[in-house]
Amino acid sequence: AQSVTQLGSHVSVSEGALVLLRCNYSSSVPPYLFWYVQYPNQGLQLLLKYTSAATLVKGINGFEAEFKKSETSFHLTKPSAHMSDAAEYFCAVSLNAGNMLTFGGGTRLMVKP
Amino acid sequence: AAGVIQSPRHLIKEKRETATLKCYPIPRHDTVYWYQQGPGQDPQFLISFYEKMQSDKGSIPDRFSAQQFSDYHSELNMSSLELGDSALYFCASSLVGLAGDYQETQYFGPGTRLLVL
Repeated sequence: AQSVTQLGSHVSVSEGALVLLRCNYSSSVPPYLFWYVQYPNQGLQLLLKYTSAATLVKGINGFEAEFKKSETSFHLTKPSAHMSDAAEYFCAVSLNAGNMLTFGGGTRLMVKP
Repeated sequence: AAGVIQSPRHLIKEKRETATLKCYPIPRHDTVYWYQQGPGQDPQFLISFYEKMQSDKGSIPDRFSAQQFSDYHSELNMSSLELGDSALYFCASSLVGLAGDYQETQYFGPGTRLLVL
């Protein structure tokens, strides 16, 4: 079984500030890890994924995440927030290709001017 | 690039009515997943199909059924609708494949917003 915990249901940063969204997972086997973004009234868009290759993963829109096995974490970062980054972010885990995704509770990112 | 298509995008039903949601996966994708996202909630897995066979089952109510057709599109049938079924229903697709050409990523459609009155 697998589970995902996102620390902080709401995160607020100033425009230009560092964005850090936290994700911790539990899994019985090496997992696949994903970050999805959801803009209001829209679907889920893949930001980036970890699939046991490089532990530092770069995604779209300047986001990146680092897989740390010892900490069972996959935190999402972006050096400088833009207003357009305001959205809901979901961390998700699956055990294998073709398996269901288990999502964390989501983190709503707010960006202040 | 072609994306996952879902129809309808919005649906309003009365309690105890039935609803059918449709999902057309990305071309070549052989696996379809259904998720339900309640208001302010994270998406919850309902059911998935690989090559037209049910591959996994999550928290799908007995009132719901689904299938994947020969052209790989999928339909989620919902009967005896309840107020609590009001949610955003996502379909996702991926390529699991047979010859190691699988892709881990599930690509999501825009969702069908169901409102039960």
